[in-house]
Formats: sequence, C-alpha cells, structure tokens
Amino acid sequence: SAVISQKPSRDICQRGTSLTIQCQVDSQVTMMFWYRQQPGQSLTLIATANQGSEATYESGFVIDKFPISRPNLTFSTLTVSNMSPEDSSIYLCSGDYNEQFFGPGTRLTVL
Amino acid sequence: AQSVTQLDSQVPVFEEAPVELRCNYSSSVSVYLFWYVQYPNQGLQLLLKYLSGSTLVKGINGFEAEFNKSQTSFHLRKPSVHISDTAEYFCAVSGIKERLIFGTGTRLQVFP
Repeated sequence: SAVISQKPSRDICQRGTSLTIQCQVDSQVTMMFWYRQQPGQSLTLIATANQGSEATYESGFVIDKFPISRPNLTFSTLTVSNMSPEDSSIYLCSGDYNEQFFGPGTRLTVL
Repeated sequence: AQSVTQLDSQVPVFEEAPVELRCNYSSSVSVYLFWYVQYPNQGLQLLLKYLSGSTLVKGINGFEAEFNKSQTSFHLRKPSVHISDTAEYFCAVSGIKERLIFGTGTRLQVFP
C-alpha cells in the first residue's frame, strides 16, 4: 500500500490569510489529486495535478483561490488563498494508484 | 460520466444485527469500486475494493461487498455489527488510475 503524508495535519487560521498544504507520496505517480471534505459532507475533487503542467480544476474551483504546485512525481502543494470560514474543511491528497489511498488529511479551521 | 448513489443517508441498527449499506453507480466504462470508512474526527480508511476478479470482495473488520454488474451495484454488508462500527461510510468509483467520485455517504449508527 502507498504511504501518503500531509503537512500540516491541522491548522487554525485567520480570515484573509493563506495556507499551503504539502503532500508527499512514497512512490512516483503521474497524477496527484486534491480533495476537500467540508463538515458533514462527502469528498469533492478540487483539482488534478500533473508534473510540468498546470493543474486541472473541477467546476467551482479556480486557480486563484487554490493554486497548486507539482514540482516532481512524489510531491505537490495546495494553497488555500484569502481564506474565509467557508474554507474550513479537511483537505486530502491522493495519487493515481489503482488502489486509492489517503493520508490523514489536513484539518483546516478558519476563524 | 461516472456517478455514485448511496441510497441511505443514515442506517440505524442494533448491535449484532446484520447490516447492508447500498451503493449504485453509473459508468460507461470499466470501473474500480471502493468503500471507505471514516470514524468520527478521523481520516478516510479504505475498507475494501473491487478492481477485477471475484465479485465478492472481503475487507477489513468483517465487511464484504458484492459487485453486481447487471444491477450496477456494490452493496456493503456485515453479518453482525458492533458498536465500534459506528461511522460514516463512503462508496466511490473510479476509472483506471483516475480520480475518485464519491457518494454522499451513509451514517451507520449502531445501538446497544
């Protein structure tokens, strides 16, 4: 099974600030996926990140709000910009494995 | 396009009773199917998966699921539940090495 780690595991942030979340996987993958789970909700895909190209965003998510970097085949970052309380969620990443694993995620609270 | 429907948002059941959590999917291509469990204030844990082969899949904690292609279903079952099974359960579908599409979740509440 894959090992996926994220940093930070949780954070409490002030409105208007930005937070960058890091995702590290233990084996190379072509695509990395970023998901959001709002309180009491299911998971929704934010974007798909490929190395060397811009991320592909799902409907309702834009690059200015959620910029993503993918510098190599085992690492990606997601930034949540200009945060508001509505951004309070768990953010999870995964890779394009046949069996999709998730790390513990990043629990973000915006005050 | 792929989609997943979890027919029950909540399933209350008494301890030691059997349970079935229903999941239907739609897809025009071959799919992989997954069940995840999320305990309160915890991350997402893979319960079981169907990639190919036998349609009856056994997972952790005594759960199993059956892939039924004709009915496009992947229902999760356990013959005897425990209090500790109280959690949110998510069904998900993906293509080969593609992103996951999740259902809306089923809250399993086990009562003593």
